[in-house]
Amino acid sequence: QVQLVQSGAEVKKPGASVKVSCKASGYTFTSYYMHWVRQAPGQGLEWMGIINPSGGSTSYAQKFQGRVTMTRDTSTSTVYMELSSLRSEDTAVYYCAVSPDGSLDYWGQGTLVTVSS
Amino acid sequence: EIVMTQSPATLSVSPGERATLSCRASQSVSSNLAWYQQKPGQAPRLLIYGASTRATGIPARFSGSGSGTEFTLTISSLQSEDFAVYYCQQYNNWPLYTFGQGTKLEIK
Repeated sequence: QVQLVQSGAEVKKPGASVKVSCKASGYTFTSYYMHWVRQAPGQGLEWMGIINPSGGSTSYAQKFQGRVTMTRDTSTSTVYMELSSLRSEDTAVYYCAVSPDGSLDYWGQGTLVTVSS
Repeated sequence: EIVMTQSPATLSVSPGERATLSCRASQSVSSNLAWYQQKPGQAPRLLIYGASTRATGIPARFSGSGSGTEFTLTISSLQSEDFAVYYCQQYNNWPLYTFGQGTKLEIK
């Protein structure tokens, strides 16, 4: 069965960067696009971007252009999301999710990133 | 960017009754529309894709309809476990996805 296991919670200071990982199993890693979605406390879901694990190509929501970088390691079936220049508004739960055919069928458990001085 | 607008923001319904949630797109998304359910402290769960196809394991009381810019999620007879927040999402403008702001379904 498809499983996405994310790295643990992080606490960062404003201006720092955070790198969250998402390890996939239960399917051929290069077959499904991987997305990152975040959710600030008490708020809705916000789509951040997508990576093709096969070739590594990415597309990001305009809001995060220049601050987010998504990468992958095919040898470990892991995708990474790095967000830089953190500010308090980036405090959120960050999810990875895969889309076999458009919709986000499988989700990771989420990683809480707290930005605080 | 395609903007997704959900209504109402909060819906109060009694168990056993029907709930109807709406989602509107700022431009046509064809049938490339999904619905998700999220409970507190949990990751979202896919309910409906392709506007009207139930995901694996989703009960038949959940149904989706619509195409173009207007979509509806209907829960025919609410069970206690159905009270949650529901999000629509378009994936027609691939690779750029967008979510609606969510509808909270609460017990009346």
